[in-house]
Amino acid sequence: GENVEQHPSTLSVQEGDSAVIKCTYSDSASNYFPWYKQELGKRPQLIIDIRSNVGEKKDQRIAVTLNKTAKHFSLHITETQPEDSAVYFCAASSRGGTSYGKLTFGQGTILTVHP
Amino acid sequence: DAGVIQSPRHEVTEMGQEVTLRCKPISGHNSLFWYRQTMMRGLELLIYFNNNVPIDDSGMPEDRFSAKMPNASFSTLKIQPSEPRDSAVYFCASSFGNTIYFGEGSWLTVV
Repeated sequence: GENVEQHPSTLSVQEGDSAVIKCTYSDSASNYFPWYKQELGKRPQLIIDIRSNVGEKKDQRIAVTLNKTAKHFSLHITETQPEDSAVYFCAASSRGGTSYGKLTFGQGTILTVHP
Repeated sequence: DAGVIQSPRHEVTEMGQEVTLRCKPISGHNSLFWYRQTMMRGLELLIYFNNNVPIDDSGMPEDRFSAKMPNASFSTLKIQPSEPRDSAVYFCASSFGNTIYFGEGSWLTVV
């Protein structure tokens, strides 16, 4: 099955700095890569996603890049703000056949943005 | 839409008792997932359904766990008998297509 590795496990930055979180996946059939943000005591919420036919996607201060050959993808947050502090999860899935969009999650990154 | 609705939100129970967690997926979604989250193991997929049919239950930890989806708008996850190591947050999620939406979670404590 799919295996997703995520690094770093914790990340501490100053407000205004950039933050980068990296993930690798094992199943070359994976074609969908979402990122979720989970605030303390809350549910994971989708913040951005990318499909395998796209190399990069941006949404305001958030961007995701995908390297299919190397089987890794990254989340970039620019101009970080204290409210970006949360746990971030990457995930991978393959749609088609019998997989039905089953997501495999990385271990999570605790991001702390210091004012 | 109200989103994925889970109940109870919090439950404290004694070891050996039966626990039933409930989920109402988003209307129109055809896939439903049960995840468990702990500090040690992160987010684990327990089981998922497509069109009410269980597709993959390989994540269900043991026979004490069972899940059903009798119709498109309701699913249950049952633990019988419960053990302290079952203490976790249990998330139900649903999707139509790739994007998965999570419920608020059921916080289970087994003492």
